[in-house]
Amino acid sequence: DQQVKQNSPSLSVQEGRISILNCDYTNSMFDYFLWYKKYPAEGPTFLISISSIKDKNEDGRFTVFLNKSAKHLSLHIVPSQPGDSAVYFCAASEPGSSNTGKLIFGQGTTLQVKP
Amino acid sequence: KAGVTQTPRYLIKTRGQQVTLSCSPISGHRSVSWYQQTPGQGLQFLFEYFSETQRNKGNFPGRFSGRQFSNSRSEMNVSTLELGDSALYLCASSYSGQGVGEQYFGPGTRLTVT
Repeated sequence: DQQVKQNSPSLSVQEGRISILNCDYTNSMFDYFLWYKKYPAEGPTFLISISSIKDKNEDGRFTVFLNKSAKHLSLHIVPSQPGDSAVYFCAASEPGSSNTGKLIFGQGTTLQVKP
Repeated sequence: KAGVTQTPRYLIKTRGQQVTLSCSPISGHRSVSWYQQTPGQGLQFLFEYFSETQRNKGNFPGRFSGRQFSNSRSEMNVSTLELGDSALYLCASSYSGQGVGEQYFGPGTRLTVT
């Protein structure tokens, strides 16, 4: 039972354009959502997070939007750069689990940014 | 500051054998979490240790176990290996497990079971 789903396995965008990565979840009790980026042969690196009490969080070129009624979040990258090409994972934590390391991950979306 | 290190990086084992993977967290970090990554499944949480105590556990069979030492280094063990255990095993460390997102991942150990 996949509680966090990334339905698009891959996405290709042109350099300079916007990349939008989507994530759906089923558990309305999740209190934090996170995005991680993973390059080949490296571990995932934390990108940006959002609390369930907010609907937007921005950090430079990266913005995460949360739509709780739709149980949907998205990561916007503007402008996209070739170095952004990686696998992006959406993750969520349950109340009480955010400080015990347990995150529930989606399957990942491979983003390719073409020069 | 040195990152999270995992050894070995690659491992090939035969069905029925057991395996032990090691994770050295960032200096000063006391929490270590383990994840299994398989194609199409994303990362699945195995367990988390803090100060040598297991604080949280995922939905994996008892063949998967772990421990943490007093220097915060952690090991995970898989006994009676099955073909489906072939995966990338990642560990992540953080200072206390608090601060959502403040987990730093190692490069992983790629385990192949034949």
